[in-house]
Amino acid sequence: TQLLEQSPQFLSIQEGENLTVYCNSSSVFSSLQWYRQEPGEGPVLLVTVVTGGEVKKLKRLTFQFGDARKDSSLHITAAQPGDTGLYLCAGVTGTASKLTFGTGTRLQVTL
Amino acid sequence: NAGVTQTPKFRVLKTGQSMTLLCAQDMNHEYMYWYRQDPGMGLRLIHYSVGEGTTAKGEVPDGYNVSRLKKQNFLLGLESAAPSQTSVYFCASRKGGFGSSYFGPGTRLTVT
Repeated sequence: TQLLEQSPQFLSIQEGENLTVYCNSSSVFSSLQWYRQEPGEGPVLLVTVVTGGEVKKLKRLTFQFGDARKDSSLHITAAQPGDTGLYLCAGVTGTASKLTFGTGTRLQVTL
Repeated sequence: NAGVTQTPKFRVLKTGQSMTLLCAQDMNHEYMYWYRQDPGMGLRLIHYSVGEGTTAKGEVPDGYNVSRLKKQNFLLGLESAAPSQTSVYFCASRKGGFGSSYFGPGTRLTVT
């Protein structure tokens, strides 16, 4: 079974702070996705990274895929209360594009 | 365009009872998936389908069956529910390849 470990599990910070979430695996994935999930809802895709070393930016969020395509990071600059939620990384494998999810990082941003 | 819908939203079952969860998508997606989400474990793949009439096992298939008789629908069945199947179940669909996976709002199932 492929495992994706995320760290930290929980993060409570104040508005304006920066943070980084890590997603690590011993397996290689064809691509890696980051999702955000709000309470009572399904995950919503934020980004897909495909190429080793790739960096993608989405406003204040920066996503990086490791050179060996085994790990990824999510960096949030100047966090806002609206960033609060559960962040999930997911590795994509196989012809059916199955997702292997990480354990999740629960982020809380307070005023 | 409703996206991915799931019914029911909540359900309480007694051990040994059976039920079917329905997932419907109106995006003409080929691929559909059933996941379960448990605290501290992320989402785990139960079964998936790459097209009408085809199904395959995922990571945690035991105790579940699925059917994809129509392209837009993917059913998840529990023949004899067990307390270990208490979870939140999510359906997802995907056009294929590097496309995005779209998730439904989830079904919260409690088995007592």
